[in-house]
Amino acid sequence: GAGVSQSPRYKVTKRGQDVALRCDPISGHVSLYWYRQALGQGPEFLTYFNYEAQQDKSGLPNDRFSAERPEGSISTLTIQRTEQRDSAMYRCASSLDGRGLGYTEAFFGQGTRLTVV
Amino acid sequence: AQSVSQHNHHVILSEAASLELGCNYSYGGTVNLFWYVQYPGQHLQLLLKYFSGDPLVKGIKGFEAEFIKSKFSFNLRKPSVQWSDTAEYFCAVNAPNNAGNMLTFGGGTRLMVKP
Repeated sequence: GAGVSQSPRYKVTKRGQDVALRCDPISGHVSLYWYRQALGQGPEFLTYFNYEAQQDKSGLPNDRFSAERPEGSISTLTIQRTEQRDSAMYRCASSLDGRGLGYTEAFFGQGTRLTVV
Repeated sequence: AQSVSQHNHHVILSEAASLELGCNYSYGGTVNLFWYVQYPGQHLQLLLKYFSGDPLVKGIKGFEAEFIKSKFSFNLRKPSVQWSDTAEYFCAVNAPNNAGNMLTFGGGTRLMVKP
């Protein structure tokens, strides 16, 4: 597709369940980022990849969160044993090359709204 | 680590009014600065960016922002807003020598323009 695609758009899950959120970046984009946005706040960095390599995961809040990008394209963010505090908008972005955001623009998807009940 | 503050959480204006949204960041080194906009039901889109050079940058839809290094500020302006500017606006900073490829966002400002 022409833009960054995320699925599902909305996800409601019960506390304790695992969820997997998918991001399909713009074709050919090297870098892929995951952000989380709580209600009323700005997006917060979670992790990013260049190709299939996870470059920085310092923003992942705890070990229930993990992300992968095995073939350097589609990425999955997995949250295990979900808790109510995990409820948020999860945003994915991609950029053309891996030199950093000082050089290339990040394009965002529409996000996945996760609600843990 | 860098942080970004947006002082106005909600702004309501009438059409044709002038707009200025404040953004301050805390980081003393080299920064790249951005304003993103999210229209209702849409994704985050880049409005404008500052990397270097002229501190007054112009973006899409008549928006501009001024980088004032001494004030650590990057305020967004538009001389005359339109109803279609109703959206949420996010200021963001990238510190390439500190946090590499990461964007740090402010909390956002919701702008409502009354027709």
